Amino acid sequence: AAGVIQSPRHLIKEKRETATLKCYPIPRHDTVYWYQQGPGQDPQFLISFYEKMQSDKGSIPDRFSAQQFSDYHSELNMSSLELGDSALYFCASVSRQAAVGSGANVLTFGAGSRLTVL
Amino acid sequence: AQKITQTQPGMFVQEKEAVTLDCTYDTSDQSYGLFWYKQPSSGEMIFLIYQGSYDEQNATEGRYSLNFQKARKSANLVISASQLGDSAMYFCAMREPPTDKLIFGTGTRLQVFP
Repeated sequence: AAGVIQSPRHLIKEKRETATLKCYPIPRHDTVYWYQQGPGQDPQFLISFYEKMQSDKGSIPDRFSAQQFSDYHSELNMSSLELGDSALYFCASVSRQAAVGSGANVLTFGAGSRLTVL
Repeated sequence: AQKITQTQPGMFVQEKEAVTLDCTYDTSDQSYGLFWYKQPSSGEMIFLIYQGSYDEQNATEGRYSLNFQKARKSANLVISASQLGDSAMYFCAMREPPTDKLIFGTGTRLQVFP
């Protein structure tokens, strides 16, 4: 079965550079979530999209932006990178429409993109 | 606001033994969902088991079962017959409306020894 695809898997950047992470959700999934997991931390919600519209916003810095495109893939853009941005970035997807009534909206996570800022 | 608490930073268990990982939650919603994810050292987040607040029976998935005690607001994960490959970080999570994002606990690192 198709999974959530994230690229790149690993990324090394210098301080003040920019980075773009990509996420390809499972086909027919209508919702995408982005999470940031720092070393030894639990995943923190950044932002989500439902049917290509931003649906929720968490602890996402103003230096970060994200969007979902017509083909449902999503990109997380990070500018003016700081050392503290070094983390594992997850994308997850779900079909909230398909799960209505079933209760089991199980988010499927990608393998993550590991960003290291030097 | 919803909250997930995992009070065990680390747990050790011997191979083939059972282990319980604790999770308590706080919510004012009547309808909610609880999840457990496994994160091995490679980093990926793997879904293990789901429990809905209206489910009358405890969820089970192979060697995983969820000890759901609604009145105590606990949703403990029980792993039976532990295997070396079960060594990983385990996160309890709750679905938060209205967008169904997951809120995670701080995790429990499980180590299975021979």
